[in-house]
Amino acid sequence: DSGVTQTPKHLITATGQRVTLRCSPRSGDLSVYWYQQSLDQGLQFLIQYYNGEERAKGNILERFSAQQFPDLHSELNLSSLELGDSALYFCASSVGLAGAHHEQYFGPGTRLTVT
Amino acid sequence: DAKTTQPTSMDCAEGRAANLPCNHSTISGNEYVYWYRQIHSQGPQYIIHGLKNNETNEMASLIITEDRKSSTLILPHATLRDTAVYYCIVRVSIPSYTGTASKLTFGTGTRLQVTL
Repeated sequence: DSGVTQTPKHLITATGQRVTLRCSPRSGDLSVYWYQQSLDQGLQFLIQYYNGEERAKGNILERFSAQQFPDLHSELNLSSLELGDSALYFCASSVGLAGAHHEQYFGPGTRLTVT
Repeated sequence: DAKTTQPTSMDCAEGRAANLPCNHSTISGNEYVYWYRQIHSQGPQYIIHGLKNNETNEMASLIITEDRKSSTLILPHATLRDTAVYYCIVRVSIPSYTGTASKLTFGTGTRLQVTL
């Protein structure tokens, strides 16, 4: 158990819909990262937040957005869903903003299926 | 970003050492080598990291060549529970608004199968 929790575990929804994925980081971790893992693209970095502020963006679609709240939990919002958005979405957390020694701890993921 | 090259798959007998190679010939002097593994769609798990010296922890050992162009992750006594995809990652730092942030860039990894 990494200490990172994600809800829900599974989510099935239809194309065009909007969903929210939730992540609670490990106690004391200020950084939250979101990753997407699909069969054809592998594990891809989406976005990072540190203490409530966006710090880095990867290949995140404009239809996707995220935020980190004062209690440090984070939400990833996916809208106008397409079949290709079906994937595993992982949240990870780390202690600090940067630095080579801040390993990331991953949650169990949310499996999103768009039908 | 320094890219990594790993074999697609490897087999190892239970109880034997598993040696997983990784090439990172374009690594920069201040970039670290990280290893993570992912067991069957679970979240990736941190294993070990290093800069230029060999490193060991309770999970594994990391051997980095002197020129830092390649490394080997060693699981000294592999068990069935070590069956997973192992990712070798060179840590990058990307600039953000008020400092540096750090992402993990995952490649395709090595699928290690440990057998009886």
